[in-house]
Amino acid sequence: AQSVAQPEDQVNVAEGNPLTVKCTYSVSGNPYLFWYVQYPNRGLQFLLKYITGDNLVKGSYGFEAEFNKSQTSFHLKKPSALVSDSALYFCAVRERNSGNTPLVFGKGTRLSVIA
Amino acid sequence: GAVVSQHPSWVICKSGTSVKIECRSLDFQATTMFWYRQFPKQSLMLMATSNEGSKATYEQGVEKDKFLINHASLTLSTLTVTSAHPEDSSFYICSARDLGASGMNTEAFFGQGTRLTVV
Repeated sequence: AQSVAQPEDQVNVAEGNPLTVKCTYSVSGNPYLFWYVQYPNRGLQFLLKYITGDNLVKGSYGFEAEFNKSQTSFHLKKPSALVSDSALYFCAVRERNSGNTPLVFGKGTRLSVIA
Repeated sequence: GAVVSQHPSWVICKSGTSVKIECRSLDFQATTMFWYRQFPKQSLMLMATSNEGSKATYEQGVEKDKFLINHASLTLSTLTVTSAHPEDSSFYICSARDLGASGMNTEAFFGQGTRLTVV
């Protein structure tokens, strides 16, 4: 079975400081990994994905994530946080070659960037 | 990226009535769409997989007679909450993947969500 763990319910960071939102995953095979952001009363917006190739993936709004197979992690990072980055972030996984199956989401991490 | 449109964004209905939520893929065809439910401060819970031209596949614990799903065309799936009760109040989100773009490894795109309040 596939699963995603986001160990932090809440992450607080000062504006301008680097931020990290943690994610670890569990799949029986190779994963496709995704990060999404959700603003209040809105759907999820795609940020970035890891499919194959370079372990460091760059995405929207200056976010990036690093795939670490040995640690089964896919932490989301940004060098300099903005107040507008405050939102709910979801990590998701889907096993490669699993067909058109739905994503499995972590429970979400609320990021609060303080001015 | 691909666009998924969900309507309405919010709805208030009386207990015992039914509510229909539409999910459309605007610039691609979606043979499969997914319906999620999200409780406050919680993650997305997959309710069902909607398959064009066939019956939906429901997750364990989701009442198929209460949450009717119809996927009559390649661009439209509907979720009808029948005989709604206050405990059905929630945020409902649909998603789909544009398989024509890059195949199975593409990201899923989500509708804007529907806030349902049953009074």
